[in-house]
Amino acid sequence: GDSVTQMEGPVTLSEEACLTINCTYTATGYPSLFWYVQYPGEGLQLLLKATKADDKGSNKGFEATYRKETTSFHLEKGSVQVSDSAVYFCALSRNNFNKFYFGSGTKLNVKP
Amino acid sequence: SQTIHQWPATLVQPVGSPLSLECTVEGTSNPNLYWYRQAAGRGLQLLFYSVGIGQISSEVPQNLSASRPQDRQFILSSKKLLLSDSGFYLCARDDRYNEQFFGPGTRLTVL
Repeated sequence: GDSVTQMEGPVTLSEEACLTINCTYTATGYPSLFWYVQYPGEGLQLLLKATKADDKGSNKGFEATYRKETTSFHLEKGSVQVSDSAVYFCALSRNNFNKFYFGSGTKLNVKP
Repeated sequence: SQTIHQWPATLVQPVGSPLSLECTVEGTSNPNLYWYRQAAGRGLQLLFYSVGIGQISSEVPQNLSASRPQDRQFILSSKKLLLSDSGFYLCARDDRYNEQFFGPGTRLTVL
């Protein structure tokens, strides 16, 4: 079945450090891939997405590239800020029905 | 508008008591609606989804049930809560761009 695996956290970085959160997926066909962010005490917000192979999603300095050959969608940011501290979820959905599969989440702590 | 309302925001209930969590959405008619649970320190688990009034699909066997009495209303219920039902419950809807929008969530603590 479809599934998403992402690196376990927490990830602790200093401000302005580079960030990579790994995400790999298992799915038949051609799913869409997403990164969601959850700030403390809040619901999830869409951060970025990619709908086909080699697409790059980007938002707020974050980027992720849909790699079909490695079934990956790693989240990257060149310089993190304290305000980026949150839990990040990788997810996929099948294009024929919008049922989402989420990874377990990766908590990011950015220290000043 | 993609606004999703969830009520209540927080809830503390004793074991064995009933539960009713409400989700209402604004925007286009006949949205697909979803209930997720996020247990402490864990990821999201899809509990139920609905493609229309009275149509509920369950993803995992559990102590919970869901109903959709109106197009924009989705309710999560239990007759008798268990300790393991504690968690953060999120309602979501999707749109024509294949994205999901989440409500603010309800934090349930069962004591």
